[in-house]
Amino acid sequence: NAGVMQNPRHLVRRRGQEARLRCSPMKGHSHVYWYRQLPEEGLKFMVYLQKENIIDESGMPKERFSAEFPKEGPSILRIQQVVRGDSAAYFCASSLARGPGKTQYFGPGTRLLVL
Amino acid sequence: KQEVTQIPAALSVPEGENLVLNCSFTDSAIYNLQWFRQDPGKGLTSLLLIQSSQREQTSGRLNASLDKSSGRSTLYIAASQPGDSATYLCAVNGGNSGGSNYKLTFGKGTLLTVNP
Repeated sequence: NAGVMQNPRHLVRRRGQEARLRCSPMKGHSHVYWYRQLPEEGLKFMVYLQKENIIDESGMPKERFSAEFPKEGPSILRIQQVVRGDSAAYFCASSLARGPGKTQYFGPGTRLLVL
Repeated sequence: KQEVTQIPAALSVPEGENLVLNCSFTDSAIYNLQWFRQDPGKGLTSLLLIQSSQREQTSGRLNASLDKSSGRSTLYIAASQPGDSATYLCAVNGGNSGGSNYKLTFGKGTLLTVNP
C-alpha cells in the first residue's frame, strides 16, 4: 500500500510563473490537507479538502493560491505569479476520515524554489 | 490561537545517552498530540500519537508523555543511536478557534544530533 505521493519533489520557478503541486493520497483516503513549511518555521496548515469540496481554506493566502481535489485524480495546490516568499516546502497529508483520532499521513513534500 | 514551542532548538549528544525533548502548547483544549521525525529533505514520519485522555505512549526506545492541564509533552529517547539524528516535531490537534479537530499546529522542531 503506497503512502502519500507528491510530485514533483523539487520545483524551480521564476518570479511570475505558476507552480502546480500534486498530491495523491493513500489508497482509500478521501481527506487531504496541505501544509507549508517556510525556512526556519514550523509547518503551517493551509487547506483541508474532501473529494470535490474545500472544507477549510483558512490558512491559505487569499490571493494567488488555490487548491482542488477532484473526483478523479490527485489534489492540486496551485500558486499563480509566484514570488520569492513562496519558496518553501509544501507537504500534503491524507486521512481515512475526519476526526481527532484519525491519523494524518504525510507525503515527502515538494520543495519550491522561486528565483 | 494555539501556539507550540519546542525546547531545545538543537541538541547534540554522544551515542548511548538517554535524552528528553520538550514541547509546550498554549491552549490545553487539545484532542491529541503527535510526535514526528523529519529527516533532511524528507517528509514526516509519525512516531507516537497521544490522545487527550492518555498520559503516555511507548514505542520501542521512545516514550512520549502528555500533561494536558499544564500544556506540556516530553519525548524520551533511550540509548540514543546515530540513526536517531533528525529533526523531531511536536504537533497538537485542537485548541484552535472554531474548534476544528483536524488542524495540526506544529512546533519548529528540535534538531537532534547523536554522535558516534
